[in-house]
Amino acid sequence: GESVGLHLPTLSVQEGDNSIINCAYSNSASDYFIWYKQESGKGPQFIIDIRSNMDKRQGQRVTVLLNKTVKHLSLQIAATQPGDSAVYFCAENLPRSGAGSYQLTFGKGTKLSVIP
Amino acid sequence: ETGVTQTPRHLVMGMTNKKSLKCEQHLGHNAMYWYKQSAKKPLELMFVYSLEERVENNSVPSRFSPECPNSSHLFLHLHTLQPEDSALYLCASSQQQGVTEAFFGQGTRLTVV
Repeated sequence: GESVGLHLPTLSVQEGDNSIINCAYSNSASDYFIWYKQESGKGPQFIIDIRSNMDKRQGQRVTVLLNKTVKHLSLQIAATQPGDSAVYFCAENLPRSGAGSYQLTFGKGTKLSVIP
Repeated sequence: ETGVTQTPRHLVMGMTNKKSLKCEQHLGHNAMYWYKQSAKKPLELMFVYSLEERVENNSVPSRFSPECPNSSHLFLHLHTLQPEDSALYLCASSQQQGVTEAFFGQGTRLTVV
């Protein structure tokens, strides 16, 4: 049969505006979270991370917010630029059976399109 | 550049072929990973090596066989693949398994014909 692609949520923003990308994670025991950016034809690139003892962390033009109560993570990009167009993934550090064993598990991703 | 290098970047192979994907990191990381990224599914973890020992095998079919000869190199040996195995195969490394960020290579785009 015909293969069907993964339908990613898409966010379109005007250049210069702020972008907010949201992610719901699955496990309340996850204690470390990462946002990755993946441009076409490239591997995922680390943007910013946050540990569960924090609720906000800022980088250059990016801010990650963590709400453990509702298991929600967001990535805010200030003054969005055309070079920010990519697919953005959140990843959670999922505890596994066995002491100290973790698995980094990725969400489906959100496609960000920046309109010049 | 992330410091993680994958070769080849593109590979086309028949279902009866045997090929290998190579990954190299010189970041001094202790953990290395193989992920599969296809058009139909999110990024899927296949294998995890920590200090050259395999610590995770996420129910991957035996036609995929990983090898970690040392802490800097990781291979994925492929044999008798199926067309549905066509995907982007990504290698990553991290300083410690799971608790620090993973750095990804550019991937090998595999097409099985």
